[in-house]
Amino acid sequence: EVQLVESGGGLVQPGRSLRLSCAASEFTFDDYAMHWVRQAPGKGLEWVSGISWDSSRIAYADSVRGRFTISRDSAKNSLYLQMNSLRVDDTAFYYCTRARFLEFEFDLWGQGTLVTVSS
Amino acid sequence: QSALTQPASVSGSPGQSITISCTGTNSDVGGYNYVSWYQQHPGRAPKLIIYDVDDRPSGVSQRFSGSRSGNTASLTISGLQAEDEADYYCNSYTSAITRVFGTGTRVTVL
Repeated sequence: EVQLVESGGGLVQPGRSLRLSCAASEFTFDDYAMHWVRQAPGKGLEWVSGISWDSSRIAYADSVRGRFTISRDSAKNSLYLQMNSLRVDDTAFYYCTRARFLEFEFDLWGQGTLVTVSS
Repeated sequence: QSALTQPASVSGSPGQSITISCTGTNSDVGGYNYVSWYQQHPGRAPKLIIYDVDDRPSGVSQRFSGSRSGNTASLTISGLQAEDEADYYCNSYTSAITRVFGTGTRVTVL
């Protein structure tokens, strides 16, 4: 089945770090750009970061630039999000999504992983 | 990176048509054809329903259609059905090579 599966979420204290992973299956990972989108509980969607198929183009939302790092590993068909200096307002469900190109629509979504930042 | 503006809620009776607006600027909605719409039911991941302003993915009902005028994109749901009750979000590529979502619209079927 074509799918994306996120992992790595959990409870973390403010100021600490967390690394999210997204495993892609049953499609050619290198054919797609990948993105992270988050949603605070009861709130709207917020785009977080995107990376092109070859990692040559990377973009971040202002709210996470300098704290979060997106990366991908073709050998493992995986996408990552390294989150440092976490803040309470980073609490959200984090979704992994794919797009044919960086600018294109998000045509496949994972089920999300919950990150809770709290002391 | 301000969120695109959508109405907080829209409602309609079964069989009616409703339209959701998504207002941005000429640096996002008005500047690129990369406008898409997503449907999200409670507790579920979002689902793509419109891309490139007015294209529909295979498998998505023809009752969903998209359009754009200037800096405002619109999603129209015709023949409203109970299953259409959900949250809807627009998204656009931006001149800063980032992406931006709309504020979201809750659709209620009366």
